[in-house]
Amino acid sequence: AQSVAQPEDQVNVAEGNPLTVKCTYSVSGNPYLFWYVQYPNRGLQFLLKYITGDNLVKGSYGFEAEFNKSQTSFHLKKPSALVSDSALYFCAVKETSYDKVIFGPGTSLSVIP
Amino acid sequence: SAVISQKPSRDICQRGTSLTIQCQVDSQVTMMFWYRQQPGQSLTLIATANQGSEATYESGFVIDKFPISRPNLTFSTLTVSNMSPEDSSIYLCSVGTGQNIQYFGAGTRLSVL
Repeated sequence: AQSVAQPEDQVNVAEGNPLTVKCTYSVSGNPYLFWYVQYPNRGLQFLLKYITGDNLVKGSYGFEAEFNKSQTSFHLKKPSALVSDSALYFCAVKETSYDKVIFGPGTSLSVIP
Repeated sequence: SAVISQKPSRDICQRGTSLTIQCQVDSQVTMMFWYRQQPGQSLTLIATANQGSEATYESGFVIDKFPISRPNLTFSTLTVSNMSPEDSSIYLCSVGTGQNIQYFGAGTRLSVL
């Protein structure tokens, strides 16, 4: 069965520093991987996805993520954090285009001025 | 992309009553999803509502408690029936696209007294 883990409930980073939000997954085949962000009192917003191709995926707001098949990871990164990046981040996975998406538990990111 | 309008944005209800949440999309979509989310936590899929077929409910959710309508390709409703305080949560409408991306409404914050 497919699953996704986000080992950190909370990540704190200083403004201007690089940030990483971690995600690991488990699927039986080739994964479809996603990152979504949720700002307070809002629905989730799509950031980026990996399905095939280059392992480094670039997305919205300067975020990127690297697919690592051997480590079954899909960590979200940004070179320089902004205070406005403070939000709840969800990693998600599915096994095929027709499967339902499984969302991780979420990681709360706080960027400190 | 898809823009989703969800109404109401929040409501306070008495136990034993029912609330119908509306989800309107600005384009025609086949797949619509209803989720429940406790504040700061992950999403739990309630059901998938594809136009032209009965909604498919996830384990732990039943049609009598959460009836769903999907009359056309741009609209759906979720009713939370015979509410109890345990139903207090955020309810999110989402649509799926052919690019495997999901778009979300802003959510309905429900409090049951």
